[in-house]
Amino acid sequence: DAGVIQSPRHEVTEMGQEVTLRCKPISGHDYLFWYRQTMMRGLELLIYFNNNVPIDDSGMPEDRFSAKMPNASFSTLKIQPSEPRDSAVYFCASILITGELFFGEGSRLTVL
Amino acid sequence: GQQLNQSPQSMFIQEGEDVSMNCTSSSIFNTWLWYKQDPGEGPVLLIALYKAGELTSNGRLTAQFGTTRKDSFLNISASIPSDVGIYFCAGQLSRDDKIIFGKGTRLHILP
Repeated sequence: DAGVIQSPRHEVTEMGQEVTLRCKPISGHDYLFWYRQTMMRGLELLIYFNNNVPIDDSGMPEDRFSAKMPNASFSTLKIQPSEPRDSAVYFCASILITGELFFGEGSRLTVL
Repeated sequence: GQQLNQSPQSMFIQEGEDVSMNCTSSSIFNTWLWYKQDPGEGPVLLIALYKAGELTSNGRLTAQFGTTRKDSFLNISASIPSDVGIYFCAGQLSRDDKIIFGKGTRLHILP
């Protein structure tokens, strides 16, 4: 298996633009997590899904953030409109067995 | 909410030295995990602990699940240059629960 695949790896955009980050989990994994990593706050859990259903989105910073998982092999995290404080590395991770998260390589977002 | 406190935040050691780092929580977890992150990559699982008091090794790494279920420790013996990176602890209460990460311990190895 190719592992968790994220795109884009890097994105630079201007404040106010819409950003869409994509994730393909490992086939057969039934949980998918979205994390945001910054120097100040570390790895923050934004939202996670089980069998494509959002279970806990309490970590989503505000209404500008939304996440979907239309099927077992694809998820998106959208920011609209983006702001400079959203600049971070966004990780997607999937899991089959308790606790053994497999992370993607991350999407580094810079909002100017 | 649940928080994990990792210490130290960073460490500077000589190659060959042993390393110890720990993680404490304000609430109990039933699974403790240790991950390592290299620059430009996502974290990778090192050790998973599923039972209070459990001591597990993975090569030069040894981790323990605290008996109170509120802490965990990671030791690295005879450090080598490729051990450089950020080490994260993480906890999960149950199979269906969120996985919370500490802020990491950044390990530096002096030449």
